[in-house]
Amino acid sequence: QVQLVESGGGVVQPGRSLRLSCAASGFTFTGYAMHWVRQTPGKGLEWVTVMSFDGGDEYYADSVKGRFTVSRDNSKNTLFLHLNSLRAEDTAMYFCARGIGASGTYSPDYWGQGTLVTVSS
Amino acid sequence: QSALTQPASVSGSPGQSITISCTGASSDVGDYNYVSWYQQHPGKAPKLMIFDVTNRPSGVSSRFSGSKSGNTASLTISGLQAEDEADYYCISYTSSSTHVFGTGTTVTVI
Repeated sequence: QVQLVESGGGVVQPGRSLRLSCAASGFTFTGYAMHWVRQTPGKGLEWVTVMSFDGGDEYYADSVKGRFTVSRDNSKNTLFLHLNSLRAEDTAMYFCARGIGASGTYSPDYWGQGTLVTVSS
Repeated sequence: QSALTQPASVSGSPGQSITISCTGASSDVGDYNYVSWYQQHPGKAPKLMIFDVTNRPSGVSSRFSGSKSGNTASLTISGLQAEDEADYYCISYTSSSTHVFGTGTTVTVI
């Protein structure tokens, strides 16, 4: 069965960096685009970024463009999110999610349980 | 990238049908059939209920259906059940090759 397990969250000071990981199993990782989505505690979902199946295309929400970078290691079935210049408003649960298809056009189907990032001094 | 507009809350009695709207623009909902819907129970990850406007993933009850007219997509839940009480979100692909979520709707079974 499809499994997505996020890790790397924690408490970090404003302006610092963090790297999140998402270990995928139960499906052919190289066949699917992958998303990151975040959710502020008690609030709604915010789409963050998507990377195509081969890493050739990546797109970002305006709120994180220039600060966050998505990457993937298809040899290790792992997706990453590099968070730089963190702000208090980046505090959220970060979910990794599989795209319905190979390109970034497709929305997520399966989701991980999330990893919590707290930006605070 | 403004969030798609959903009603904050919708309620219904068991057995009734309810519809949740998701209003966007010609640059997202209106121009693409890449609209999906998710159900999220408290403390849980979202679950895909509808994709590509009208398609149900395997295992999702036929009581859930989707449609679209112009810039507005809709999710209908028929035969409302207690277990349907949850938050629901729409998402659409956009002309910027990004995605945007709706503001979310809390469904209450009264």
